[in-house]
Amino acid sequence: GAGVSQSPSNKVTEKGKDVELRCDPISGHTALYWYRQRLGQGLEFLIYFQGNSAPDKSGLPSDRFSAERTGESVSTLTIQRTQQEDSAVYLCASSLAWTGAGNTIYFGEGSWLTVV
Amino acid sequence: AQSVAQPEDQVNVAEGNPLTVKCTYSVSGNPYLFWYVQYPNRGLQFLLKYITGDNLVKGSYGFEAEFNKSQTSFHLKKPSALVSDSALYYCAVRDIGRDDKIIFGKGTRLHILP
Repeated sequence: GAGVSQSPSNKVTEKGKDVELRCDPISGHTALYWYRQRLGQGLEFLIYFQGNSAPDKSGLPSDRFSAERTGESVSTLTIQRTQQEDSAVYLCASSLAWTGAGNTIYFGEGSWLTVV
Repeated sequence: AQSVAQPEDQVNVAEGNPLTVKCTYSVSGNPYLFWYVQYPNRGLQFLLKYITGDNLVKGSYGFEAEFNKSQTSFHLKKPSALVSDSALYYCAVRDIGRDDKIIFGKGTRLHILP
């Protein structure tokens, strides 16, 4: 597609429910990132997929968080048993692989999650 | 591992004055360096990047950044600030030659005062 697409754009969920957030990267981009941004805060790295390599999960805050990616396309971020502190904007970004000219990463508009 | 620091949480500049948003980095090799801007309730937008070549990089909206290898800095600059430049600015680094993630600074909020 023309840009990184995320859905839903807004989600309100009850505490304890599971949520799934979806990211469609730019076509041909092998690298995909998830970040979290709490209100008034900076970017918090969550997870990074690069081609067929094992994902870098070092930023996932707890075992309630998981992410999958099908090949080099769609990724889903799942949050189980949501807590109020999970309320944030979840940003997805994609880029070409590192080989090449300093590949820029491009962000989606984010999925705004509110846990009530 | 690479890292990036933005020492200022907020920068206030009068409209029409030059602005600087600071960024320093640490990498094991040579860096790829980026600046992004985030307007309220929006995703991040790419401004400019340094890969190689001229140390002064020009980007969108009249912004530029200067790569200084000896000081490991990549400060964002603009000769004359506009009120519409008010936003959150992020510096990011990626280590050349490593198949590794991009690391972002914590962001600097820029306020341009009319």
